[in-house]
Amino acid sequence: GAVVSQHPSWVICKSGTSVKIECRSLDFQATTMFWYRQFPKQSLMLMATSNEGSKATYEQGVEKDKFLINHASLTLSTLTVTSAHPEDSSFYICSASIAGGPDTQYFGPGTRLTVL
Amino acid sequence: EDKVVQSPLSLVVHEGDTVTLNCSYEVTNFRSLLWYKQEKKAPTFLFMLTSSGIEKKSGRLSSILDKKELFSILNITATQTGDSAIYLCAVGLGTNAGKSTFGDGTTLTVKP
Repeated sequence: GAVVSQHPSWVICKSGTSVKIECRSLDFQATTMFWYRQFPKQSLMLMATSNEGSKATYEQGVEKDKFLINHASLTLSTLTVTSAHPEDSSFYICSASIAGGPDTQYFGPGTRLTVL
Repeated sequence: EDKVVQSPLSLVVHEGDTVTLNCSYEVTNFRSLLWYKQEKKAPTFLFMLTSSGIEKKSGRLSSILDKKELFSILNITATQTGDSAIYLCAVGLGTNAGKSTFGDGTTLTVKP
């Protein structure tokens, strides 16, 4: 149980385009999902907390207009990287915790974004 | 600012060795401490600790939390090459269920 999927697993795009990444909790409801960014050989950097039915909470230094988050249902959150630039190239990981459950986060497999 | 510090940052051992990974933290609203293992892709959950002094064990892995001294250790005995991974320590914060601050991780390499 507690499986989280992410789509796509990798994407290559041209500079200036927008990319949407989906995060789904497959067998549980997640009122809260988290979006992370990870650079090579570095730890997870929390970008934002996605709350179902309300606006996402962004961490300091993360541009909300650039990284659009939508959490339209209890099983789906999306992250859209708008007007992507090469410096946005990274590994993006989402996680979800079970509504009303413990703090354990269940991670998606991640999305490797490369912006040319 | 909430902070989680892991040490060492990297470690190379041989199969059969025992390793101890450290995690210290300074946060304003502690809720839990979690350990994750990250191999090629996303992290997988190992342990969640909320009470001091109670060891959690799973096979060759064990972990304990000291809430007075604000640290946790993760022990791996009789290491195997399959234990090679990044081990992440995270502190769950009381402000938002599930929200965690992560340490930089310890990269463990186990040589045959």
